Amino acid sequence: DTAVSQTPKYLVTQMGNDKSIKCEQNLGHDTMYWYKQDSKKFLKIMFSYNNKELIINETVPNRFSPKSPDKAHLNLHINSLELGDSAVYFCASSQRGGSTGELFFGEGSRLTVL
Amino acid sequence: AQRVTQPEKLLSVFKGAPVELKCNYSYSGSPELFWYVQYSRQRLQLLLRHISRESIKGFTADLNKGETSFHLKKPFAQEEDSAMYYCALSGGGSYIPTFGRGTSLIVHP
Repeated sequence: DTAVSQTPKYLVTQMGNDKSIKCEQNLGHDTMYWYKQDSKKFLKIMFSYNNKELIINETVPNRFSPKSPDKAHLNLHINSLELGDSAVYFCASSQRGGSTGELFFGEGSRLTVL
Repeated sequence: AQRVTQPEKLLSVFKGAPVELKCNYSYSGSPELFWYVQYSRQRLQLLLRHISRESIKGFTADLNKGETSFHLKKPFAQEEDSAMYYCALSGGGSYIPTFGRGTSLIVHP
C-alpha cells in the first residue's frame, strides 16, 4: 500500500540520452515535488507543483521538466543527460491546505549517467 | 530567503551516549521546523515537527527563536538510530520545505 511510488528505482544510461522518472501518490495530496540528492547527500528542491502552480528552482537546467497528467502523478523528464545529473531523485507529496509542511517521500530513483 | 544550516556532516557516538544534532535556520517570519530521517536504503520520513512538541523514538527538538536553532537530541543513542538526519524549514506562504545538508549519525556498539 505504498503512498508515494517512483519508477524506476535504478536507471543507468548514456550521456546525451533522454529519460523519464515516474511518480504517483495515492494520498490525495494536492502538491507534489521533485528533489535531487547528490553524492554528498545534499537534498535540493527542483520543482513544486500543484494543479494551479509550478514553482521551479531557478538553478535547475531547463533540460529538466516536470509533467503532470493529473494531480496524483508528477513525472520528471530529463533531456540530453549529463554526467552531473547522476544522483538520487526523490518524489514527494504534501497537502498544502492541511497539516503544514510534512512531506511524504518515495523511495528514490538512482540515476547513473555513463 | 530561508536557509537551514546543519554544521556537522558526520556525528559518531557510542551506544548509550547522548546525541545532539545541530540545526540553525535563517528566516524572517515564523518558521515551521521539521526533522526528517533516512535510514539506510530507505525513503526519507518525518521524525518530528516543532509544532507537535512530541518525542519520537526518544528524540526531542525544541525551537529556540532567540538562537534560531532547532537541535535534535536524544539522551541515550541506540545502534538503530544510525541514519541520515535532515533539518527542514517551511516558512510563511511557502510550503516548499528547505532542507539542510544533512548529518550522518553513526552509533557504534
